[in-house]
Amino acid sequence: DAGVIQSPRHEVTEMGQEVTLRCKPISGHDYLFWYRQTMMRGLELLIYFNNNVPIDDSGMPEDRFSAKMPNASFSTLKIQPSEPRDSAVYFCASSFPSGTDYGYTFGSGTRLTVV
Amino acid sequence: DQQVKQNSPSLSVQEGRISILNCDYTNSMFDYFLWYKKYPAEGPTFLISISSIKDKNEDGRFTVFLNKSAKHLSLHIVPSQPGDSAVYFCAARPLRETSGSRLTFGEGTQLTVNP
Repeated sequence: DAGVIQSPRHEVTEMGQEVTLRCKPISGHDYLFWYRQTMMRGLELLIYFNNNVPIDDSGMPEDRFSAKMPNASFSTLKIQPSEPRDSAVYFCASSFPSGTDYGYTFGSGTRLTVV
Repeated sequence: DQQVKQNSPSLSVQEGRISILNCDYTNSMFDYFLWYKKYPAEGPTFLISISSIKDKNEDGRFTVFLNKSAKHLSLHIVPSQPGDSAVYFCAARPLRETSGSRLTFGEGTQLTVNP
């Protein structure tokens, strides 16, 4: 398996534009997580899915953020409209349910810069 | 409310010496703890874990210590090597959480091992 695949690796966009981040989890993993890395708060959980169903989106900062998981192999995180304070690295991770020692497998992240 | 806190944003040590990274948590429901290591431009990768039934877990040069009464854990790296230079994240979860392997992360500590 190629691991968790995120695209794009880097995204630079202008304030007000729509941004879509993509994630392909590891086949067979039934949990998918979106995290955002910032200096102040480290890795913040934005939203997570179980069997394609959103379970907890309380970490989504504002209504400008939305996430979908139309099938077991694909998820998107959308920011519309984007703002400079959204600049961060966004990680997608997938896992089996509790019981595994290693928790999650992370993708390589998308570095978002909003200018 | 930062439930997992890493108070040292950075740590610098000499090659061959011990590196000690610290982590504190506030949620008494946490009983499974993990350390992740992150290199630049990569996602975090699992390093070592410990459950609350233990106070120590060792894997090669890496040892994690857990002090439940103090709600404190630490990661020891002995001897430190330049290749250990990375950001280290502490993470925690309730072991028997039924809603999936949801992890709460700290802010991260940048370790630099000087040759």
